[in-house]
Formats: sequence, structure tokens, C-alpha cells
Amino acid sequence: GNSVTQMEGPVTLSEEAFLTINCTYTATGYPSLFWYVQYPGEGLQLLLKATKADDKGSNKGFEATYRKETTSFHLEKGSVQVSDSAVYFCALSDPLRNNNDMRFGAGTRLTVKP
Amino acid sequence: DVKVTQSSRYLVKRTGEKVFLECVQDMDHENMFWYRQDPGLGLRLIYFSYDVKMKEKGDIPEGYSVSREKKERFSLILESASTNQTSMYLCASSVASGSAYEQYFGPGTRLTVT
Repeated sequence: GNSVTQMEGPVTLSEEAFLTINCTYTATGYPSLFWYVQYPGEGLQLLLKATKADDKGSNKGFEATYRKETTSFHLEKGSVQVSDSAVYFCALSDPLRNNNDMRFGAGTRLTVKP
Repeated sequence: DVKVTQSSRYLVKRTGEKVFLECVQDMDHENMFWYRQDPGLGLRLIYFSYDVKMKEKGDIPEGYSVSREKKERFSLILESASTNQTSMYLCASSVASGSAYEQYFGPGTRLTVT
């Protein structure tokens, strides 16, 4: 079945450091890929998405490129801020199977220190 | 903006009690979901509903039931709460957006069963 594996945390960075959170997936079809963010005490919010190979999703300085050849969707940001401290979830849904079947990674907690 | 609300942010119940968690969305979405979130396990789907009175089991339905009598409201019921159901419960809703079904989440209910 479909699944998502993302790098384990926690990740601690200094402000203005470069961020990478790795995400790889297993899917039988052609999934859509997502990054969600969960700030303390809140639900998940969609951060960015990509629906086909080589698409790049971007939002708030974060980027991720859908790489079919490496089955990856790594999240990157060039310069993190304290306000980026949150838990980040990689997820996929397979439109050919059942778009209601969204699979989430375990989440990566990011802490950014001033 | 899509708004998904959950009836309680924090709930403490005793073992054996019947527990109701309520979720309401205001954007006329067809699909609604209940997940539980546990550290290191990410989000696991309990049940989802794609229409009024329709429901399907997710990955971990045991010990739970759901009710969807109106399109905007989706209830999760713990028939007889147990300590292993202590968790964060997240409700979500979605509608098709291009080829990807983005899910919109509520703030979560942290349930403690003692």
C-alpha cells in the first residue's frame, strides 16, 4: 500500500540556517504530495503541494519538488525563522485509488533558536 | 476561509464512559475525516464520510463509531472509553481541488481517559 517515510526529528537549527526535511514515498499510482505544518496547540495547515512529477510547490519561503525518479518530496527553506518552529508532516494521496486515502508521515519537529 | 471547528480542545473522561467528539465545517465539503495523532505515529485514519449518512472505516476503527446526520457535522463516538484511547483527535474536511484533495483540519481535541 501507499506510505510515506520522513526523517525523524527533532531538528534544532539556529535562525537563518538552511532547512531540509527529507520525505520519501511508496505508491503504486501517481500520487499527489503535500507538506502540512502544525504549530503548537493547533491543527494541521496545508503548507504546499505538488500534483505531478517535477512540479515544485512553494509557500512562505518553503519549497519541495516532486521527484518521481527518487520517489522523494524533500522540504527546504533557505533561511529559517523562530516562527517556523512547528511539526511538519509529509503526506500523499493517490487520485487513481481513492483520494480520500491520505497517508501521513510520522512528523518532524523543528525548533529554531534565536 | 474554510473553518473546521471541534467541540472541545481538552477533555478528561473516565474509563468506560461514552464519549462524543463533535466536528463542524462551514464550507459545504462532502468529505469529512477523523484521525488520531500519537507521537511517532503521525496521523492514523479512524473513519471518514463522503456524504450524509455514509461512512467508511479507516485504519483503526476498533472501539470507535461515527455519525453524520447533516453535511456539516461529523461526530466521533467512543462507545466505552479506555486508557489506550488517550490521544489527540483531529477532524478534517475536503473537497476536490484540481487533482488533489486538500484536507482542512480543526484545532484538535486532546482526550485523556483515566
